[in-house]
Amino acid sequence: GEDVEQSLFLSVREGDSSVINCTYTDSSSTYLYWYKQEPGAGLQLLTYIFSNMDMKQDQRLTVLLNKKDKHLSLRIADTQTGDSAIYFCAESINSGYALNFGKGTSLLVTP
Amino acid sequence: GAVVSQHPSWVICKSGTSVKIECRSLDFQATTMFWYRQFPKQSLMLMATSNEGSKATYEQGVEKDKFLINHASLTLSTLTVTSAHPEDSSFYICSADEGQQNTEAFFGQGTRLTVV
Repeated sequence: GEDVEQSLFLSVREGDSSVINCTYTDSSSTYLYWYKQEPGAGLQLLTYIFSNMDMKQDQRLTVLLNKKDKHLSLRIADTQTGDSAIYFCAESINSGYALNFGKGTSLLVTP
Repeated sequence: GAVVSQHPSWVICKSGTSVKIECRSLDFQATTMFWYRQFPKQSLMLMATSNEGSKATYEQGVEKDKFLINHASLTLSTLTVTSAHPEDSSFYICSADEGQQNTEAFFGQGTRLTVV
């Protein structure tokens, strides 16, 4: 399928905000997701946003969606060292449960 | 949330042998299960969609005779890598959905396959 694009690497200091950006491809995707993967582990769903929403906030996480530009971002407030991981954005394929993933953004949080 | 369990978590096998990976939905019935493969430092790529009681639908470029998928019950799907080669070494992960108006499919913890 077509590519979901993400920046590959982000480094932030502990306590700062992190913003991870993603460009997706399917304008008909019903849901857009952010997953977290720690080394050697499976996927943890962080949050998702329905395609008719512009923003969703969930504790330290804020998702912004620009449907016109097919741009999705994840902001992590007060980033902690435990947030260091790979973050994947994903779009639903044909509005179903199969997902098309980006390559992942490796977030490194330094003390 | 719903729990999906994969077994084994990791496996090492010799070239030419076959390996079976199980994906179980522990507390719900999964109408559909999905199998993904993740190469090191790469994204997850959908391999196939598995529907209970019918043949799996494979994505373009995925060999159905090499990656056999069986979805014999609403709580279990298996992926068998036949005649494994070192290039099949990868992280295989499944997800399952309840088939209702839910917002997500639930992922297993993944299986790390190393073929030597």
